[in-house]
Amino acid sequence: GAGVSQSPSNKVTEKGKDVELRCDPISGHTALYWYRQSLGQGLEFLIYFQGNSAPDKSGLPSDRFSAERTGGSVSTLTIQRTQQEDSAVYLCASSPVGSAVEQFFGPGTRLTVL
Amino acid sequence: GNSVTQMEGPVTLSEEAFLTINCTYTATGYPSLFWYVQYPGEGLQLLLKATKADDKGSNKGFEATYRKETTSFHLEKGSVQVSDSAVYFCALSVNSGNTPLVFGKGTRLSVIA
Repeated sequence: GAGVSQSPSNKVTEKGKDVELRCDPISGHTALYWYRQSLGQGLEFLIYFQGNSAPDKSGLPSDRFSAERTGGSVSTLTIQRTQQEDSAVYLCASSPVGSAVEQFFGPGTRLTVL
Repeated sequence: GNSVTQMEGPVTLSEEAFLTINCTYTATGYPSLFWYVQYPGEGLQLLLKATKADDKGSNKGFEATYRKETTSFHLEKGSVQVSDSAVYFCALSVNSGNTPLVFGKGTRLSVIA
């Protein structure tokens, strides 16, 4: 079956522009996560959605970052007024409900801010 | 807070060598522990996991044992292959239900023939 997909695979933008990154989770997975992978910082949690509950935004690095999940499926991560330090690979993952279940990761979006 | 510390790489081994990648954790709760792997050009995927003390996770010849007394989850393989070249991430999750993972910084392994 289809895995987690993300688009675009690569995004180059100029400092100060807004960007939107999209994630399509595996059908039926109620939990959706966004992580950021950058050199020297490893993998950092950004935001997490579980069903219809309010999202856990505790990992967002600044108020320039926001995310939505529409209809319990597709999610969009928006970065406003991008900065060079936002350059990273943004990973989306989804999982079914349960404890210690496997998270299935997408291929990521590589964001470069010039 | 919750954190994971794993040995820094890169690690370079000859084929058939023994592999150990150390991982220790700090957690406020009773965590579940994971190893994820990222092969070149591919996405992260689960390698193995353990959910309680003394559990051993195993897959593809890799093993890791949940050691509560030493707060460790070291990854081992008795005989590595070139195809094992990848970046390995130790991770934990706390609390019941779906929760985000806390990752170590990753260890790059290169296996040469």
